[in-house]
Amino acid sequence: QVQLVQSGAEVKKPGSSVKVSCKASGDTFNTHSISWVRQAPGQGLEWLGRIIPKVDVEKPAQKFQGRVTFTADKSTSTAYLELSSLRSEDTAIYYCARGREVWDAFDVWGQGTVITVSS
Amino acid sequence: DIQMTQSPSSLSASVGDRVTITCRASQNINNYVNWYQHKPGKAPKLLIYGASTLESGVPSRFSGRGSETDFTLTISGLQPEDFATYYCQQSYSTSLTFGGGTKVEIK
Repeated sequence: QVQLVQSGAEVKKPGSSVKVSCKASGDTFNTHSISWVRQAPGQGLEWLGRIIPKVDVEKPAQKFQGRVTFTADKSTSTAYLELSSLRSEDTAIYYCARGREVWDAFDVWGQGTVITVSS
Repeated sequence: DIQMTQSPSSLSASVGDRVTITCRASQNINNYVNWYQHKPGKAPKLLIYGASTLESGVPSRFSGRGSETDFTLTISGLQPEDFATYYCQQSYSTSLTFGGGTKVEIK
């Protein structure tokens, strides 16, 4: 059973950065992309971008360009999301999700990481 | 970015009802639409991919249709465990986007 296990909740100050990890089991890193999706309180799902670990290619959503970095450590099958210049609107649950080839459907999700941005 | 407009944003229905949720894309996306179910406190769950293919393990009361710009998700015979928020997502563009969501509530 493929799993994605994310790091724990964090509280950050405005203007700081946060780095969230997502450890994959199985052969995920050789065969799938890893996307990051968030849900702010009372809001819908929002795609932040993705990385294809096999070729180390990343694609951020336009809204987050310049503020987000996606990395992948193939030796530990762990993907990372780093979001900088945090503001209160970044308070959300952040999910990593495995993207299936061709349809880019997210078939396996992490448990979610709560990031709170507060002074 | 391709915009995905879902309707309605919420609906009330009873157990056993047939429910249809619509998603409209801002441009032709062929059949590159996926549907998810999301319950509070849980990760989203993939229901349908490629507009109409049922994900393994998902009950057959869920079905998806559509192509180009107009897509639907139908639940035939709503069950108590189906009360949740549903999202469409387009994967035609390399910049993926979700619809705004449809909350299905108990009448």
